[in-house]
Amino acid sequence: GENVEQHPSTLSVQEGDSAVIKCTYSDSASNYFPWYKQELGKRPQLIIDIRSNVGEKKDQRIAVTLNKTAKHFSLHITETQPEDSAVYFCAASKDTDKLIFGTGTRLQVFP
Amino acid sequence: KAGVTQTPRYLIKTRGQQVTLSCSPISGHRSVSWYQQTPGQGLQFLFEYFSETQRNKGNFPGRFSGRQFSNSRSEMNVSTLELGDSALYLCASKLASSYNEQFFGPGTRLTVL
Repeated sequence: GENVEQHPSTLSVQEGDSAVIKCTYSDSASNYFPWYKQELGKRPQLIIDIRSNVGEKKDQRIAVTLNKTAKHFSLHITETQPEDSAVYFCAASKDTDKLIFGTGTRLQVFP
Repeated sequence: KAGVTQTPRYLIKTRGQQVTLSCSPISGHRSVSWYQQTPGQGLQFLFEYFSETQRNKGNFPGRFSGRQFSNSRSEMNVSTLELGDSALYLCASKLASSYNEQFFGPGTRLTVL
């Protein structure tokens, strides 16, 4: 069935360093890939998304890349700050179908 | 514009009881989806409603049901609660079924004793 794998499960970085989270999806028909940030006790918030007709999208310190052939997509955060500490979820969906989520990455940014 | 709201925020029930959770989408949003979040299983899709009709359904038993009203507000019901139903239940709204971007509510934390 549909599946999204996400790595790593935890990631610790020093403030100012970059962080990369990787996801792999199984359904080659998937064409929408959002990333959500969930702080402790709060709702998941959409931080960036990409559609399958582009390979890369950037928004300030956050970027997402997509490799359709390999069915991989990644989140890149540059110049990390302590407030970036949270759990990040990738997801995939086909057309406007349900979101299939990865298992999450707990990012800790140490000052 | 106000975000997605969910009530109640916390709920404690015992095994065998039933529970109803409520979700009010962002004004103008007509599609509401429900997700279950647990430490072990992560975020799993329950169902989506659009224009009062269930459009999509995940792999959950029939004890989980939902509905949507004409004002787009949605409820989900879990009957005959089990310990394993303890979770954070999140709803998400989007403008229409044909859109992608979903916006989540704060969730209802259900504890089954």
